[in-house]
Amino acid sequence: NAGVTQTPKFRILKIGQSMTLQCTQDMNHNYMYWYRQDPGMGLKLIYYSVGAGITDKGEVPNGYNVSRSTTEDFPLRLELAAPSQTSVYFCASSYGRGNYGYTFGSGTRLTVV
Amino acid sequence: TQLLEQSPQFLSIQEGENLTVYCNSSSVFSSLQWYRQEPGEGPVLLVTVVTGGEVKKLKRLTFQFGDARKDSSLHITAAQPGDTGLYLCAGAPSKAAGNKLTFGGGTRVLVKP
Repeated sequence: NAGVTQTPKFRILKIGQSMTLQCTQDMNHNYMYWYRQDPGMGLKLIYYSVGAGITDKGEVPNGYNVSRSTTEDFPLRLELAAPSQTSVYFCASSYGRGNYGYTFGSGTRLTVV
Repeated sequence: TQLLEQSPQFLSIQEGENLTVYCNSSSVFSSLQWYRQEPGEGPVLLVTVVTGGEVKKLKRLTFQFGDARKDSSLHITAAQPGDTGLYLCAGAPSKAAGNKLTFGGGTRVLVKP
């Protein structure tokens, strides 16, 4: 059982480049999330989705875009990368409404130079 | 924005000692979750507490949810080096919020053999 899979694990981008962080889950979870974690800090929500075709902004959405065409996949797009986007990005999923815990992927470490 | 403050930020103890991590907010949460994160990995769910005053035990770990559902604590008895990691608390503000979690800043625990 793979859970939540994120690719790539590491990436270095130059300022102004774009990239897509991939996230897929095989648990048939309706809800999916993207968080970023800066050094010594907790997790901040970028975007989330409550089902295929539905996405919404979180706390720090600027500079990012998402799509949710299937239940399994929730890619995060970075347009015009900036040094402030250097961070570790985590994708997570949960079963749905209520007090369900999250299952996290192992993260993507992104450096923008 | 509902904030969760964790204390202390860092804790270094010897194997066999006890420790307590605190998670506080001025806001009420419908539930509170605790996660442990190891280097290079995503957070892993330890427990969810839902009822005010609830106490849950997981082997040597004891979790408590405050009566007013605004705070929580994690107590580890006879800590072992395997307990080393970043402990994160996360609150669910309401059941209608897309199950979005607000994370605390984390407590880094180091248990020395």
